[in-house]
Amino acid sequence: AQSVTQLGSHVSVSEGALVLLRCNYSSSVPPYLFWYVQYPNQGLQLLLKYTSAATLVKGINGFEAEFKKSETSFHLTKPSAHMSDAAEYFCAGGRNTGGFKTIFGAGTRLFVKA
Amino acid sequence: DGGITQSPKYLFRKEGQNVTLSCEQNLNHDAMYWYRQDPGQGLRLIYYSQIVNDFQKGDIAEGYSVSREKKESFPLTVTSAQKNPTAFYLCASSPLAGGNTGELFFGEGSRLTVL
Repeated sequence: AQSVTQLGSHVSVSEGALVLLRCNYSSSVPPYLFWYVQYPNQGLQLLLKYTSAATLVKGINGFEAEFKKSETSFHLTKPSAHMSDAAEYFCAGGRNTGGFKTIFGAGTRLFVKA
Repeated sequence: DGGITQSPKYLFRKEGQNVTLSCEQNLNHDAMYWYRQDPGQGLRLIYYSQIVNDFQKGDIAEGYSVSREKKESFPLTVTSAQKNPTAFYLCASSPLAGGNTGELFFGEGSRLTVL
């Protein structure tokens, strides 16, 4: 079965610390991978996407993710957390033939402590 | 600016009433989607449409209905048959033609509370 698994429903870091949000996907998941961010009571916004070009993908707000096929992982990182990074983050797998094929992880809520 | 507009942002209804959530896009996207979001469950697909006058059920279509009479509009009706309608509803769109990389574009969401 296709699945996208985000390890940890909640992650807490101190301001200035490394942010690491984990995402693993089943091998049958569609080939494009995404990270979306959602601020409270808002829609989702694309952070970055992997579409089989470079395996290290840079996104907005200083985030990046590395596609590792051998580990079926697509973890999201940011070297230094900022208070404004507090939000919910969703990993997803999709394909370019229609968004109805998109598979979302359950989400990870990031807390940033002052 | 191009985007997706959902309305209303917040909606309160009594049990047993049908409610309709509006979704309009000016991105000229072919496909539109409705998702339901509950805490800890990620996003679940309710309905999607790839072309005007056609739509398909997603994973949790029971108790919902949609229409797609115009390319720009994809309203969702939450009927009285939906057992647990209180949730955050997200509308999204995507292109289907060349250049599409699978990205979804989301509206700001509508929070429905059934009293």
